Amino acid sequence: QKEVEQNSGPLSVPEGAIASLNCTYSDRGSQSFFWYRQYSGKSPELIMFIYSNGDKEDGRFTAQLNKASQYVSLLIRDSQPSDSATYLCAVISGSYIPTFGRGTSLIVHP
Amino acid sequence: GAGVSQSPRYKVAKRGQDVALRCDPISGHVSLFWYQQALGQGPEFLTYFQNEAQLDKSGLPSDRFFAERPEGSVSTLKIQRTQQEDSAVYLCASSGGVDYGYTFGSGTRLTVV
Repeated sequence: QKEVEQNSGPLSVPEGAIASLNCTYSDRGSQSFFWYRQYSGKSPELIMFIYSNGDKEDGRFTAQLNKASQYVSLLIRDSQPSDSATYLCAVISGSYIPTFGRGTSLIVHP
Repeated sequence: GAGVSQSPRYKVAKRGQDVALRCDPISGHVSLFWYQQALGQGPEFLTYFQNEAQLDKSGLPSDRFFAERPEGSVSTLKIQRTQQEDSAVYLCASSGGVDYGYTFGSGTRLTVV
């Protein structure tokens, strides 16, 4: 069974700090990796996706992929209270069906 | 439409009642997915359509769950004889291709009493 693991948290960081969210996956053949943000009571919204090893930056967000170690991470620079949410990692292996982790709750305190 | 539309937004069903949840994907999106999300958990895959073809239904928890997308656009998830454990948020997502990500609707919160 394909598994995507995330620490449920909560991860608490002060405003302005870097938040680091991690995700590991079991299927070495996984090809595409997504990070979603989900506010309480809302649906997931796509932050960014990454396919290749290395870093991908988009504004304050950086996704990092290491296929050899089977992990993908999301860094949020200059964290803001509005970043407080649950962050979901999703992985695609073979088919087009994303498998989601349980999410990590992030709390950014002023 | 501009986004994925789901209805109803909330549904309260008495145990044993049948329910139908609707998803209207982004226009032109070939792929459509249904997920179930329990409180504090990530979305769990239920079923996947490409156009009108249901390519994977391995996540449907029982034969009480049925999904269709007869014209390759709007999809309906039907749950027969609802039970308390069916209470969850049902999310629909559509995609125009992996390179474009997957867009979720607002979900339907089902509560079985």
